[in-house]
Amino acid sequence: EDQVTQSPEALRLQEGESSSLNCSYTVSGLRGLFWYRQDPGKGPEFLFTLYSAGEEKEKERLKATLTKKESFLHITAPKPEDSATYLCAVQAAGTASKLTFGTGTRLQVTL
Amino acid sequence: DTEVTQTPKHLVMGMTNKKSLKCEQHMGHRAMYWYKQKAKKPPELMFVYSYEKLSINESVPSRFSPECPNSSLLNLHLHALQPEDSALYLCASSPVGGDTQYFGPGTRLTVL
Repeated sequence: EDQVTQSPEALRLQEGESSSLNCSYTVSGLRGLFWYRQDPGKGPEFLFTLYSAGEEKEKERLKATLTKKESFLHITAPKPEDSATYLCAVQAAGTASKLTFGTGTRLQVTL
Repeated sequence: DTEVTQTPKHLVMGMTNKKSLKCEQHMGHRAMYWYKQKAKKPPELMFVYSYEKLSINESVPSRFSPECPNSSLLNLHLHALQPEDSALYLCASSPVGGDTQYFGPGTRLTVL
């Protein structure tokens, strides 16, 4: 059975304090790993898709990396508007459409 | 443009009511999804439509009835719901099954 574990569950950072969120996964053949950002009461906002170990993608203050067992979402010099829940999801080869989500990391960035 | 729209934003219904949730996308995507999300939990897949045909039903109770009238629209018909069905209902779409899914803003459903 595919599994995704995210850590930490919650993270509080001061503005400018860089950190990383972890997503560990077990899947029978990875088709893709996805990162989403979700604000309270809203739908997940797509951030990145990673397909193979060694791949990296960047967007503004965020950088996602992928190994064979885990993915990291690095947040550089965060701002209060980066506060949200960050969700990781995997898609196994052969499952076509089904995403297996982790429970997310709730990030709070304070001034 | 990666926009998926959902209506209504909020819905309150009694257990004997019949209501529908609507989802629309104009990105030419051929796969559309319904998810249910409870507070502080990740989204749970309910249904997948691929090329307007139902391809996945995650053992969802029959009081939830999906419909895909055309490639841009997805409906979720609700009947005789229970209070525990109160949740955020999310629609998503992707170019085809297996591609990146783009989510709508959700409908907050409350069942009294």
